[in-house]
Amino acid sequence: GENVEQHPSTLSVQEGDSAVIKCTYSDSASNYFPWYKQELGKGPQLIIDIRSNVGEKKDQRIAVTLNKTAKHFSLHITETQPEDSAVYFCAASRGTGNQFYFGTGTSLTVIP
Amino acid sequence: TAGITQAPTSQILAAGRSMTLRCTQDMRHNAMYWYRQDLGLGLRLIHYSNTAGTTGKGEVPDGYSVSRANTDDFPLTLASAVPSQTSVYFCASSPGTGVYGYTFGSGTRLTVV
Repeated sequence: GENVEQHPSTLSVQEGDSAVIKCTYSDSASNYFPWYKQELGKGPQLIIDIRSNVGEKKDQRIAVTLNKTAKHFSLHITETQPEDSAVYFCAASRGTGNQFYFGTGTSLTVIP
Repeated sequence: TAGITQAPTSQILAAGRSMTLRCTQDMRHNAMYWYRQDLGLGLRLIHYSNTAGTTGKGEVPDGYSVSRANTDDFPLTLASAVPSQTSVYFCASSPGTGVYGYTFGSGTRLTVV
């Protein structure tokens, strides 16, 4: 099955700096890669996703890049704000069926 | 606000007892899922349902059962709880299977003692 690895497990940045979280996957058939943000005491919330026919996608301060050859995808957050502090999860799936494989999460702290 | 409602929010359960975690969505999503979240292990799929009347097993189904009598409800039952089932349980839904992101509920924190 798919194996998704996520790094780093913890990340601290100064407010206004950029944050980058990277995930690698093993299944070359995976073609859908969502990112979720989980705030304390809440469920994960979808913040951005990318399909395998796209190399990059942006939504305001958030962007995701995908390198299919190297089997890795990354979340980029620019101009970080304290409210960006949360745990971020990446996931991968084949785009059919029901199995999403999640990374183990990155705890991001933005220091004011 | 449309979304997923989970109940209870938290529960302490004696080992050997049974319990049903409730999940209701009001988005008319076809697919629903149960995940457990454990520190260092991320989110793991327990059971899923592609549409009302059908269910399937995920990555860690042992000790759990589900039913999907209608579109909105997807309860998760622990027949005889064990301490290893201590976890945070999330219900999620999506419009269909495939390239859809999930909408998650707020979770149920279950402690089996």
